[in-house]
Amino acid sequence: DIQMTQSPSTLSASVGDTVTITCRASQNIDMWLAWYQQHPGRAPKVLIHEASNLANGVPSRFSGSGSGTEFTLTISNLQPDDFATFYCQHYYDFSPSFGQGTKLEVK
Amino acid sequence: EAELVESGGGFVQPGGSLRLSCAASGFSFSSYWMNWVRQVPGKGLVWISRINVAGTTITYEESVRGRFTISRDNTKNMLYLEMNSLRGEDTAVYFCAKDSGPFDIWGRGTLVSVSS
Repeated sequence: DIQMTQSPSTLSASVGDTVTITCRASQNIDMWLAWYQQHPGRAPKVLIHEASNLANGVPSRFSGSGSGTEFTLTISNLQPDDFATFYCQHYYDFSPSFGQGTKLEVK
Repeated sequence: EAELVESGGGFVQPGGSLRLSCAASGFSFSSYWMNWVRQVPGKGLVWISRINVAGTTITYEESVRGRFTISRDNTKNMLYLEMNSLRGEDTAVYFCAKDSGPFDIWGRGTLVSVSS
């Protein structure tokens, strides 16, 4: 099974900052990677698919990059609603899996 | 508007069984693979099962394989998860999710609590 590893586990930042979250796959997954945002008590919401494509309705301050085994999610000009937990997920094969999550908290 | 609504969660004793349902609306259910994902409160997302449109290709995460069974009824726009031999570590919120590659539609989840 493909393992997904995110770093950092927790990230502290302020409104207006730019932050980057990294996700590594245990084997090549080409570009088959998505990023999700989850607020407490809510369902996850897809932000990015195919590593760098913005999902419908997602603000352009979110961006994704990478391919193969290393990927990044960058959030520019942080807004108050951006503080949440973020997950990467591969969908390269029939057993998609998630990273362990990165909690973005207010500094 | 596309929507998924889970039901069937609740309290069950260890060793017991439970059947979760997921009602789909607002999209062509029979055209999409579907998934179950669970989340222990305060912890991360864990994919647990996936089913293709015809119900003929099914995969499970290792910890539930042999105990859980995913199925679907395309005539009723319903997805199911039959859970047997439940353990304390199965306590979680269970989400169903529409599969377009990425999981683009999620339900709000249903809580399953396994405890004596």
